[in-house]
Parts: sequence; structure tokens; C-alpha cells
Amino acid sequence: GAGVSQSPSNKVTEKGKDVELRCDPISGHTALYWYRQSLGQGLEFLIYFQGNSAPDKSGLPSDRFSAERTGGSVSTLTIQRTQQEDSAVYLCASSLAPGHPYNEQFFGPGTRLTVL
Amino acid sequence: GDSVTQMEGPVTLSEEAFLTINCTYTATGYPSLFWYVQYPGEGLQLLLKATKADDKGSNKGFEATYRKETTSFHLEKGSVQVSDSAVYFCALMSNAGKSTFGDGTTLTVKP
Repeated sequence: GAGVSQSPSNKVTEKGKDVELRCDPISGHTALYWYRQSLGQGLEFLIYFQGNSAPDKSGLPSDRFSAERTGGSVSTLTIQRTQQEDSAVYLCASSLAPGHPYNEQFFGPGTRLTVL
Repeated sequence: GDSVTQMEGPVTLSEEAFLTINCTYTATGYPSLFWYVQYPGEGLQLLLKATKADDKGSNKGFEATYRKETTSFHLEKGSVQVSDSAVYFCALMSNAGKSTFGDGTTLTVKP
């Protein structure tokens, strides 16, 4: 497809379990972003990648959160030992390189994570 | 660090009313500025953008002008419709690629 895709669309897990969320960006987009959107809240920046490197990891809430990107394409966000406060919609976005005139972000549909 | 502050909601207007949603930012350098919209049940999508001072972004009757002197990017529409009901997010992207979003403003337009 032409857009950003994310999987799974919904994930229900038990407290303490690990989860892995996947993002497939638009082909050719070098920048990839992860956000968290809690119910009724704005977007909380988590991390972004330029290629396979993550210049800014400042938004990751704790060391239970990690992300990687391989081949300059697919990215996975891993949450270890999930807690109930991790419940949210996790959004992925991709864009052309920073500084490019058409550098707007294209968002995926999100993964709704529920931790019981 | 960079930050975006936008008008708190919710905002409720009657159809054909004038809309302004304020947005101010702090950032080093010369960021690009964006308004994104999230319609009920849908994903985030770009509404309009501006990449340099005094640029005006426009789309679907919405406009916003990049004002460097006041560090603002206020969203306006002269006559809102029920179909404009959505959550609106102001955002910036630095030249280094760091993206910062405001908290979002919920707009409800009543017939």
C-alpha cells in the first residue's frame, strides 16, 4: 500500500507481559516517528529515526520502552513488563528527510494497546 | 527545548461562524509549522503547512500564517461547517527532524 501501516491494530495484554508493535513507513521516507496518544490527550513524542539511527530518544517514558529500525524501513517499538498506564494508542508516522520542503508526516492508523 | 502551545478547548461554534485556534511556539532555528486534523474515527492527517516566515498555508478554507515576530501560527476559517468538527493539532518540525505537537483543540460545529 501507499500509506503507513501498523500492526497489530489492537493488542490486549496482561500486565507484566512484553509487547512488540510494528510500523511500515512509506517507501522512500527516511524519517520515522513514534508517538503515544492517551484517551483525550495530545500526542506524546516517544522517539524518531533518521535512517536506522535514533538521534532523539528523549521521549521514551522509561527503560521498559525501546525501539529499533532496520534497513531504513520497518520499525518495532517494544514495551517490556507492560503496566496499565501503558494503555494508549501508539501512532507511527514517516516523512521525507528533515529540511526537505515536503517534510510533513504521514500517520499510520495506530495500534490500540490495552493492558489489563 | 522546542514547545507548542495551542488554545485549549473544547471550542463549540455554530455553522458559518468564524474560527480562530491560537498556536504559539518556541524553537531554535527556523522550524516548519503544521496544522494536523483528526476527524472522528479517523487517523491524523495534514491540514496545512508553512515552511518559512510569512508563508501562508491554506487548505479546505483554512488558513494559517507563519509569524516569526510573534512566534505564532494561528488557524483561521471564515465560515465553519458541521463537517469541520474534529481535533486540530498544531505542530512544528525542527531542521534536525525533531517533531513537537500541541495538545490538540477539539472543535464542535453545531447546525
